[in-house]
Amino acid sequence: GNSVTQMEGPVTLSEEAFLTINCTYTATGYPSLFWYVQYPGEGLQLLLKATKADDKGSNKGFEATYRKETTSFHLEKGSVQVSDSAVYFCAPPINSGGYQKVTFGTGTKLQVIP
Amino acid sequence: DVKVTQSSRYLVKRTGEKVFLECVQDMDHENMFWYRQDPGLGLRLIYFSYDVKMKEKGDIPEGYSVSREKKERFSLILESASTNQTSMYLCASETSGLSNDREQYFGPGTRLTVT
Repeated sequence: GNSVTQMEGPVTLSEEAFLTINCTYTATGYPSLFWYVQYPGEGLQLLLKATKADDKGSNKGFEATYRKETTSFHLEKGSVQVSDSAVYFCAPPINSGGYQKVTFGTGTKLQVIP
Repeated sequence: DVKVTQSSRYLVKRTGEKVFLECVQDMDHENMFWYRQDPGLGLRLIYFSYDVKMKEKGDIPEGYSVSREKKERFSLILESASTNQTSMYLCASETSGLSNDREQYFGPGTRLTVT
């Protein structure tokens, strides 16, 4: 089935530093790719997504590009803020129709210090 | 605004009690999921359901059962709670349609403590 390998944390950065969280995937067909974020005390929420090769998903200053040739979907942000402190999850690729077991794994904890 | 609600944010139960965790979604989604989240272990899938009365085991189904009698409601049942089931429980739902719509929507979580 579809799966991901995500960079382990925790990651500690100073405010305004550049962030990269690596994610590579294995999948069949032409799936969509997703990043989720979990702020302290809350459930997960979608951060961004990309639905085809070379698409760039973006939200709240975060970006990720769907790279089919390297099977990667790395999350980046040019200048992190303290409010970005959270756990980030790269979700397994999702194909159309039916159902798939979706396993999120441990995520990457980001702590941004002032 | 889409919404997934869970019956309790915090719950304290005694060992051996039967525990029901309820999850309701208002998006007419076919697929629903129950996860538990523990420090250092991340988010692990317990059970999921792709239709009314249908269920599939996830990665850690032991000690749990589920019920899906209506499309909008997915219940997680701990038949006899044990201390190792102390955890954060997260419910999610998603449509079964096109892959670019397959976002999972999560509830706020239930922090269960078994004493």
